[in-house]
Amino acid sequence: GAVVSQHPSRVICKSGTSVKIECRSLDFQATTMFWYRQFPKKSLMLMATSNEGSKATYEQGVEKDKFLINHASLTLSTLTVTSAHPEDSSFYICSASPRSWEQYFGPGTRLTVT
Amino acid sequence: AQRVTQPEKLLSVFKGAPVELKCNYSYSGSPELFWYVQYSRQRLQLLLRHISRESIKGFTADLNKGETSFHLKKPFAQEEDSAMYYCALSPPEGGKLIFGQGTELSVKP
Repeated sequence: GAVVSQHPSRVICKSGTSVKIECRSLDFQATTMFWYRQFPKKSLMLMATSNEGSKATYEQGVEKDKFLINHASLTLSTLTVTSAHPEDSSFYICSASPRSWEQYFGPGTRLTVT
Repeated sequence: AQRVTQPEKLLSVFKGAPVELKCNYSYSGSPELFWYVQYSRQRLQLLLRHISRESIKGFTADLNKGETSFHLKKPFAQEEDSAMYYCALSPPEGGKLIFGQGTELSVKP
């Protein structure tokens, strides 16, 4: 149980375009979902916290107009990288939380902006 | 400031040797502390939670509030323990996780 999926697993897009990443909790309802960014050989950096039906809370330094987060249901959150630039290339990981301290992580999405 | 520090980027030991992965934290209050593990080509998964005080796969971690540390230990390392290990904290009420930089553990035969 407690499986989280992400789609796509890998995406290449051109500079200036937008790309959407989906995060789904497959067998539980997630009141909260989190989006992280991971640089090579570095830690996970929390980008934003997303609660179902309300606006996401962004961490300091993360542009909310660039990284649009939607949490439309208890099993789905999406991250849209708008007007992507090469520096947005990274590994994006989501996690879903059914309650308080529990978080289950997705497999990640590798974004490459050319 | 809320911060988790893992001073070692890479820890290399031989099979059967003891292992200690260091973690120090900075937080005003009483956070929850965790260890997460990421095996090669797999997703991040929870290894230990300080409140549960369990031993998972032979690993233990003790919270030392005086030293603000939560070091991960195993008396006899196995090759299958090779992975990235992340120490993390969250507020006592739960919610977001703040991760350390991670330590890559390499257990050689």
